[in-house]
Amino acid sequence: EAQVTQNPRYLITVTGKKLTVTCSQNMNHEYMSWYRQDPGLGLRQIYYSMNVEVTDKGDVPEGYKVSRKEKRNFPLILESPSPNQTSLYFCASSPGSPGNTIYFGEGSWLTVV
Amino acid sequence: QQQVKQSPQSLIVQKGGISIINCAYENTAFDYFPWYQQFPGKGPALLIAIRPDVSEKKEGRFTISFNKSAKQFSLHIMDSQPGDSATYFCAASKGGNNRKLIWGLGTSLAVNP
Repeated sequence: EAQVTQNPRYLITVTGKKLTVTCSQNMNHEYMSWYRQDPGLGLRQIYYSMNVEVTDKGDVPEGYKVSRKEKRNFPLILESPSPNQTSLYFCASSPGSPGNTIYFGEGSWLTVV
Repeated sequence: QQQVKQSPQSLIVQKGGISIINCAYENTAFDYFPWYQQFPGKGPALLIAIRPDVSEKKEGRFTISFNKSAKQFSLHIMDSQPGDSATYFCAASKGGNNRKLIWGLGTSLAVNP
């Protein structure tokens, strides 16, 4: 089954404790990205990657890091989480060519206290 | 600056009625307009998409209407069902570029039985 898998799905952590949200896709997609979804703010892109070792900032990259060492994986790293990073996070992937469907994971609820 | 304005923020429709969600964009270079549907606890999923060479696209009960001169596009859900209750996002990009997809803020649709 074609899917984007992210873990953990739910996490409560404390301010400043580094955490990583993993993302893996099994569709051999070139493009992967991370979004955060907040009430009233819709979907905001954090980072994206067009291929292995190629990453770029989205609209709200502050406080986040990513890496793309393998085509299938695109982890999101919060080096020092803060309460304003409490959000619902989505990983997504799509083929690199234009106009293609974006496939989203099921989301990771992150609470920073 | 929000380049895709979506309205209404929330919508309540009776079963069997027509749900209409509107989006307006500013950048005349946009040429790809997808709609994504998000059920509670799930990631968004592509519902239907249109390019400006057509004024309407229909898939089952879902229709996109596109007005290039007014820079507006809308989603019509005919014979709305309780199972259509979800959040709907419109989006737009130039050249179908998923890296630069501009999202509306979403519309929460509730269809009453």
